[in-house]
Parts: sequence; structure tokens; C-alpha cells
Amino acid sequence: GAGVSQSPRYKVAKRGQDVALRCDPISGHVSLFWYQQALGQGPEFLTYFQNEAQLDKSGLPSDRFFAERPEGSVSTLKIQRTQQEDSAVYLCASSSGTINNEQFFGPGTRLTVL
Amino acid sequence: AQKVTQAQTEISVVEKEDVTLDCVYETRDTTYYLFWYKQPPSGELVFLIRRNSFDEQNEISGRYSWNFQKSTSSFNFTITASQVVDSAVYFCALSEAPSGGYQKVTFGIGTKLQVIP
Repeated sequence: GAGVSQSPRYKVAKRGQDVALRCDPISGHVSLFWYQQALGQGPEFLTYFQNEAQLDKSGLPSDRFFAERPEGSVSTLKIQRTQQEDSAVYLCASSSGTINNEQFFGPGTRLTVL
Repeated sequence: AQKVTQAQTEISVVEKEDVTLDCVYETRDTTYYLFWYKQPPSGELVFLIRRNSFDEQNEISGRYSWNFQKSTSSFNFTITASQVVDSAVYFCALSEAPSGGYQKVTFGIGTKLQVIP
């Protein structure tokens, strides 16, 4: 497809489990963003990649969160030792440039930690 | 720090009514961008509009119109003759001039719009 895709769409994890969330951006898009959206809130920035370089990870809540984009296309957000407060929708967005470009969002992964 | 305030958390209107969604922003930059996104129940954020801080012209796109006023730091969104398909959560967002080579977007809390048939 032509849009941003994310998998899985839904993930249920037991507290303490590790999870990995995948994002397939639009082909050729340089920029990739991860956001966390808690229930009833707006998306909050987690991290930014420009090609394979992670230029900003200031929004990652703790060192349990780790993101990578090794080949400058697909990205994975990993959460280790999940906690209940990690329950949220994780959104991925990509854009063709680095500035002044529309961000195209994926459908998100809804993570529920029991 | 940049901030976006959407004071209306939920709005209900009857189909065909006009509705305005308010957005007030705070930024210290003179160069910035404002956005509106729509999030239908499916969850995917849909881009509606982007304006830069130097362009205060109001914009109309079909039933949608936007009123940007720097004097009051507002970027309000009006839907004319609302339809049931307009029911969604609408987010106003702000990004400041790029630093480090990219733009970080700050979203408001969102306004949930329900259009009743």
C-alpha cells in the first residue's frame, strides 16, 4: 500500500514482558517519527529518525524504551519490562523531507499492559 | 516551550449546523507552523491543513475554513453544514522553526466532535 503501516494493530502484554512494535513508512520518506497517545490525549512525541540516524529521543519516557531504524526504512519501537502506564496507542508518522513537510500517520498500535 | 490549548473537549451538534473548534497556541518563535488533524474512530490521523506564521490569510476548503489570528494566537477551525461523517477527534498542532534539521510537532488534547443525525 501507499500509506504508513504499523503492526501489530493490537497488542496485549503482561506486565514485565517485552514488546516490539513495527512501522513501515511510505517508501522513500526520509523522516520517521514515533508518538505515544494516551487515552483522551493528543499524540506526544517520542523520537525522530532522519534516515537511519536517531536525531532526537528526548520524548522516550524511560530507558525501557528503545527505537531503531537500521536501514533507514522500517522502524521498530521496543519496550522492555512493560508497565501498566505504557498502555497507549503508539503512532508512527513519516514525511518526505525534514522540514515544512506534512507528516503521514499510520493507524497505530494499541498496547494494553495487564 | 510551545503549547497548544483546545479548551473544548467535546462538542455535539445536530447535522447541518455550523461548528467552530477553538485552538490557542503559545510560542516564543516568530517562525512556526500550525496544523489541524482529524482522527476518526479508525484511529489514523488525517492531515487537514498547515499554515505558516507569516501567512494570516484565512483559508476555505469546501465545508472547512480556518481563521488564523496572530494577535490572539488563535487558529480556529469551522465546519459549515456539518455531516455525520465529520464526527471525529480534531487536533490542533504547532511546530516551531526547525532545530537540528527537523520539526517537532506539539499536539493539543483534541476536541471530540459528535454530529447527531
